[in-house]
Amino acid sequence: GAGVSQTPSNKVTEKGKYVELRCDPISGHTALYWYRQSLGQGPEFLIYFQGTGAADDSGLPNDRFFAVRPEGSVSTLKIQRTERGDSAVYLCASSPLTSGAGTQYFGPGTRLTVL
Amino acid sequence: ILNVEQSPQSLHVQEGDSTNFTCSFPSSNFYALHWYRWETAKSPEALFVMTLNGDEKKKGRISATLNTKEGYSYLYIKGSQPEDSATYLCAWKGNTPLVFGKGTRLSVIA
Repeated sequence: GAGVSQTPSNKVTEKGKYVELRCDPISGHTALYWYRQSLGQGPEFLIYFQGTGAADDSGLPNDRFFAVRPEGSVSTLKIQRTERGDSAVYLCASSPLTSGAGTQYFGPGTRLTVL
Repeated sequence: ILNVEQSPQSLHVQEGDSTNFTCSFPSSNFYALHWYRWETAKSPEALFVMTLNGDEKKKGRISATLNTKEGYSYLYIKGSQPEDSATYLCAWKGNTPLVFGKGTRLSVIA
């Protein structure tokens, strides 16, 4: 079956612009996660959804970052007033379980470059 | 600050060699330890999820062990092949979201 998909695969933007990154999880997966991998680092947790609601957004770095999942399926990560430090690979994952023992299935990521 | 450390950062092995690398993590509040393989331009692929101290898991030529009391896990690859070249990530789950290490980048030379 179809895996997790993310669009766009690459996004180049200018400092100060607004961007949206999209994630299509595996059908039926109730949990959805966003991570950010900066150069030389491991993926860092940003936010996780259980259904439509954000169950934990403690990883969002500041109020320029926001994510939604209005129908409990597709999610959009929104970044306002982008900064060069936002350049990273943004990964999305979904899981049928919300417990930590559940495997998370990752998409290929969106590489964001802020000039 | 929760630290998940992986070593070595990178390694190069010859085709056919066996290799292993380490993930160390907090031993308190342990819930699960995940291993992923991430090939360039692809999605990270789940290898193992381990929860029990002393657990050993195997998938083909790849196996992993877990010691939750001392806070480490080993990943072993037997008879490395060029297609094993990837970054191997471990991620710790305690009473927090997943915390990833920086990964071990493996290059297998034919």
